Amino acid sequence: DIQMTQSPSSLSASVGDRVTITCRASQSINTYLNWYQQKPGKAPKLLIYTASSLQSGVPSRFSGSGSGTDFTLTISSLQPEDFATYCCQQTYSIPNTFGQGTKLEIK
Amino acid sequence: EVQLVESGGGLVQPGGSLRLSCAASGFTFSSYWMHWVRQAPGMGLVWVSRISPDGSSTTYADSVKGRFTISRDNAKNTLYLQMNSLRAEDTAVYYCARVPPSTRYMDVWGQGTTVTVSS
Repeated sequence: DIQMTQSPSSLSASVGDRVTITCRASQSINTYLNWYQQKPGKAPKLLIYTASSLQSGVPSRFSGSGSGTDFTLTISSLQPEDFATYCCQQTYSIPNTFGQGTKLEIK
Repeated sequence: EVQLVESGGGLVQPGGSLRLSCAASGFTFSSYWMHWVRQAPGMGLVWVSRISPDGSSTTYADSVKGRFTISRDNAKNTLYLQMNSLRAEDTAVYYCARVPPSTRYMDVWGQGTTVTVSS
């Protein structure tokens, strides 16, 4: 199975900050990497697919990049509604595996 | 409105069985691969199983293989997960999610249904 490792596990930031979250795959996954946002008690929400494509309806302050084994999710200017947990997922092979999540908290 | 609504969760004793359902609406259910993903309390997301649009192909995580069965009824727009020989480690919120044709991402998720395995 492909292991997905996110860093950091948690992050404190302020409204207006630029934030970057990293996801590393244990082997090359091309660009089969998706990013989800999850708020407490809610289902995951798709933000970015195939590493850099913005899902419809998602604000343009969210962006993704990377290929192969190293990927990043960037939020250019944090808004109050962005404080949540972010998770990467590889869909290069089955089983699709997820990172452990990055909890973004208000500083 | 595109929607997935899970049901069937609950409290079950170790070794017991449960069948989860996921009712789809607002889209052509029979065109989509469908997946089950679970999340244990305080933990991350874990992929469980998937089924092809026509139901002919299924895949499972090693942790549930031989115990869980995924199926679908396209006439009823419903996805199922039959869970047998349940263990404490199966305790989780179970989500169904769809994958659009020719893509590899889960763009719509249900709200989840909670399964608790405990004596």
